[in-house]
Amino acid sequence: GQNIDQPTEMTATEGAIVQINCTYQTSGFNGLFWYQQHAGEAPTFLSYNVLDGLEEKGRFSSFLSRSKGYSYLLLKELQMKDSASYLCAAMDSNYQLIWGAGTKLIIKP
Amino acid sequence: IAGITQAPTSQILAAGRRMTLRCTQDMRHNAMYWYRQDLGLGLRLIHYSNTAGTTGKGEVPDGYSVSRANTDDFPLTLASAVPSQTSVYFCASSDHRDGGYSPLHFGNGTRLTVT
Repeated sequence: GQNIDQPTEMTATEGAIVQINCTYQTSGFNGLFWYQQHAGEAPTFLSYNVLDGLEEKGRFSSFLSRSKGYSYLLLKELQMKDSASYLCAAMDSNYQLIWGAGTKLIIKP
Repeated sequence: IAGITQAPTSQILAAGRRMTLRCTQDMRHNAMYWYRQDLGLGLRLIHYSNTAGTTGKGEVPDGYSVSRANTDDFPLTLASAVPSQTSVYFCASSDHRDGGYSPLHFGNGTRLTVT
């Protein structure tokens, strides 16, 4: 079956770095997405990886290892506004997205 | 401002009633989707449409129907609501092309409670 695993909740300190991991099993693979969702709001797109390696976009970076079925989202210089849920989603061979349940990130001062 | 508009924002509905959730986009995206989001679960696809005039079933289609008469509108209908359909419903769109990626753009959601 198809499956996405990511931690339910993480806590980090303002100004620090946090890494949110995601493992996936899909029928075929056409890329890995990360979305951010603030409480009570819609998910918004953060990043997309289809090739192995690290993609950097400002304070946020995303990494993919296709051979390991593994990705992570790295958030640097954490700010209070980064408190949100982070959703990992893998695209299968039919271009359908398989979503993880999301990781709730709590930032403490 | 370009985007996706969902209506209503929230609704309390008696079981057995019929309800249509509205979704309109002005980005001329060819693909549209309906998801439900429940605590502790990932987003689950209800129905989708890759282009106007076509629709497809997602992971949890039972009890729901959709239509795509034009590019912009993608309403979701609950024919006879049941309490298990209590959820937050998100409409999304993308400029879907096989062989390439396009991120989803989400509406602000409809919070539906079926009593």
